[in-house]
Amino acid sequence: GAVVSQHPSWVICKSGTSVKIECRSLDFQATTMFWYRQFPKQSLMLMATSNEGSKATYEQGVEKDKFLINHASLTLSTLTVTSAHPEDSSFYICSAGGGHSTSGGAWGTDTQYFGPGTRLTVL
Amino acid sequence: SQQGEEDPQALSIQEGENATMNCSYKTSINNLQWYRQNSGRGLVHLILIRSNEREKHSGRLRVTLDTSKKSSSLLITASRAADTASYFCATAPPGNTGKLIFGQGTTLQVKP
Repeated sequence: GAVVSQHPSWVICKSGTSVKIECRSLDFQATTMFWYRQFPKQSLMLMATSNEGSKATYEQGVEKDKFLINHASLTLSTLTVTSAHPEDSSFYICSAGGGHSTSGGAWGTDTQYFGPGTRLTVL
Repeated sequence: SQQGEEDPQALSIQEGENATMNCSYKTSINNLQWYRQNSGRGLVHLILIRSNEREKHSGRLRVTLDTSKKSSSLLITASRAADTASYFCATAPPGNTGKLIFGQGTTLQVKP
């Protein structure tokens, strides 16, 4: 099956610093990647939709200047939390949808594969 | 914004029993999906049911969809301790954007 990885799996940083989280599709090319945030014991909140080669589409209430998303290739999307503050501490999860596997075959965006998540703690 | 509401929020059962979780949503959908999340981990896709389908099975999982009531249910039969996790429904709005709107989730504990 399709595999999505995230790096790092956890990160602790000081307030005011920037943190970059990578999301990679390992054995397929994903035309669309999604970024979610999950606070403890809560559900996933969609932050933005990232299409390869174009600007990300942010959900209402998500600051695009604070959460920079880059989708430079069909296998990599990055989320940079700029000037992080303690309230940004959360579990960040990416998913990849709408892809072509390296062994052939394609699927639409209704099939998404999720990464294992990155836990960010801002001190 | 959250669309789905799940019920119950928490469920505790004995191994071997069946577990039923319900999900309600508010707007039109293309499909509805169920995911499992073990504590502190990513999501595992369980099953997808399209808006023109009423019931779907996968192993010990049975999902129903009632678009007139805007609700879905997930039934896990003969539960096992390994089924302990949080379960989320997620709706995909029309338009094939790939967006998923997640419900609040049900935390299931299966006691051995």
